[in-house]
Amino acid sequence: AQSVSQHNHHVILSEAASLELGCNYSYGGTVNLFWYVQYPGQHLQLLLKYFSGDPLVKGIKGFEAEFIKSKFSFNLRKPSVQWSDTAEYFCAVGSGNTGKLIFGQGTTLQVKP
Amino acid sequence: AAGVIQSPRHLIKEKRETATLKCYPIPRHDTVYWYQQGPGQDPQFLISFYEKMQSDKGSIPDRFSAQQFSDYHSELNMSSLELGDSALYFCASSEGPRSIQYFGAGTRLSVL
Repeated sequence: AQSVSQHNHHVILSEAASLELGCNYSYGGTVNLFWYVQYPGQHLQLLLKYFSGDPLVKGIKGFEAEFIKSKFSFNLRKPSVQWSDTAEYFCAVGSGNTGKLIFGQGTTLQVKP
Repeated sequence: AAGVIQSPRHLIKEKRETATLKCYPIPRHDTVYWYQQGPGQDPQFLISFYEKMQSDKGSIPDRFSAQQFSDYHSELNMSSLELGDSALYFCASSEGPRSIQYFGAGTRLSVL
């Protein structure tokens, strides 16, 4: 069965610190990979996606992620976080022909001002 | 830009009651997905529709049913509600399967 694993469940950083959130997936076929962000009390918003092509993808708000096929990983990075980045971050894999999303457990990011 | 609309935003029900959640996709989106997010948990896929036909099914209880109508909106019907059904229910729409999914604000269901 497909699964997504996020290594960090709760991350606390100071403003301007660099961020890297780990995501590994298990899926044998072609994958579509996503990072979604959920701000407190809000719905899921797409940060970035990987379908094919350049494995380094850039998203909104200065986020980027790198797809490493050999490691089944899709880690999220940001060079300098802001207090407004405080949120829950979900890695997800688009699964099968229907594209249903399999989510990781989520990482709560708390940025201290 | 138009987004995915879900109604109601909040719903309070008693055990064994029924509930109907509605989802209106982004115009021209023909695919709808339903997810359930329990407190402190990741969203779990329930069911999806493409062109008004069920396309995939996940961990959806038999007490739940759903359909997609001719105008592409979808409804999730939940019967014999249990305390454990209390969760945030998200709908997402996309322009075809395996495309980017855009999420609605969710319906928060509380079963008392």
